[in-house]
Amino acid sequence: DQQVKQNSPSLSVQEGRISILNCDYTNSMFDYFLWYKKYPAEGPTFLISISSIKDKNEDGRFTVFLNKSAKHLSLHIVPSQPGDSAVYFCAASAVNDYKLSFGAGTTVTVRA
Amino acid sequence: NAGVTQTPKFQVLKTGQSMTLQCAQDMNHEYMSWYRQDPGMGLRLIHYSVGAGITDQGEVPNGYNVSRSTTEDFPLRLLSAAPSQTSVYFCASSYSAGGLYNEQFFGPGTRLTVL
Repeated sequence: DQQVKQNSPSLSVQEGRISILNCDYTNSMFDYFLWYKKYPAEGPTFLISISSIKDKNEDGRFTVFLNKSAKHLSLHIVPSQPGDSAVYFCAASAVNDYKLSFGAGTTVTVRA
Repeated sequence: NAGVTQTPKFQVLKTGQSMTLQCAQDMNHEYMSWYRQDPGMGLRLIHYSVGAGITDQGEVPNGYNVSRSTTEDFPLRLLSAAPSQTSVYFCASSYSAGGLYNEQFFGPGTRLTVL
């Protein structure tokens, strides 16, 4: 049973607008959450992360929000750029646990 | 630094054949793992290692073996390939377990087709 869920397989957004990607999790032991970006024929690359002691983390155009009570996190990309077109994976890990649990991914397409 | 390297990039096998996917990292990371990526499934953990000589099973270990004789290398062996093992395989490594340093670095992947 998948413990990390990304219910939107795809998202299309116009260049310059905001992209919002959502992720839900079921395991209350998760305390660290990451977003990875993946281009075709490449491995995933780390994008941004957040610890459970925070509710927001920002890095340039990327912001991750965490709502622990709802077991929900989201990634905001503002403004969206053509180079942001990729698959985005949400991942989570528990305290002192190396293993990451991944969602199924959301394919983002940024339209010119 | 080359980071995480994987060979081969592509491989076609016949059912029943065996092969080894190679993975190496030059970042002196203790933690290494193998994932497979299938459509609609995300990345699923096959096996992982927390250091040389130590390995453990992940979510989908059946049909695969691993060993970790050095910090740098973590090969994945398919014992008797089956069509269900057609997938893209990623190797990853990280400095530590959990929390702030659990950012895993991924290799470019091996695309495997089993006929």
